[in-house]
Amino acid sequence: DGGITQSPKYLFRKEGQNVTLSCEQNLNHDAMYWYRQDPGQGLRLIYYSQIVNDFQKGDIAEGYSVSREKKESFPLTVTSAQKNPTAFYLCASRGRGAGELFFGEGSRLTVL
Amino acid sequence: DAKTTQPPSMDCAEGRAANLPCNHSTISGNEYVYWYRQIHSQGPQYIIHGLKNNETNEMASLIITEDRKSSTLILPHATLRDTAVYYCIVSANTGTASKLTFGTGTRLQVTL
Repeated sequence: DGGITQSPKYLFRKEGQNVTLSCEQNLNHDAMYWYRQDPGQGLRLIYYSQIVNDFQKGDIAEGYSVSREKKESFPLTVTSAQKNPTAFYLCASRGRGAGELFFGEGSRLTVL
Repeated sequence: DAKTTQPPSMDCAEGRAANLPCNHSTISGNEYVYWYRQIHSQGPQYIIHGLKNNETNEMASLIITEDRKSSTLILPHATLRDTAVYYCIVSANTGTASKLTFGTGTRLQVTL
């Protein structure tokens, strides 16, 4: 079935460690997005990408990095520079035309 | 992308229509209105979108005012399973990735 797969679903890390969240889609979508969600809050945009090897900062990019080496994949690295990394992270993709966003099930990161 | 304004919360009795408003007074001519909903700890789910005409699908109806500065999502017969946070966003799709920004949404509580 077509869709977006995020992994891992739950992740625990020690403070100061970098961690990479995976996002893979088989929808043949060009655009991909990463959002962060804190408890009781809305979604905030971290990074987005239209094509391979191109990506743009969103509203809260500091302390995060991304790559887009393949159309299907858009991994997010939460670096040690991110001051408060514990959150729910959502990946999404979007096709051309008036396309809606398709979301993954999310990755919940807890930094101890 | 234009910003949107939604009430933080609403209640609705089961079986009644839920009418969720959204203001998007700075919407541009080529921007669509999209609605999503998020049930606790899951990825948001697409509901419906429109440009200027009213739209209906199996989940909901979307009413867009003639000046396109506001819209209303209608769930015709709300059930307990419709309890969720509903997000309204506006976005163009010009073939390049749009900076899709979500606000804090409306928390809809459907009660018996």
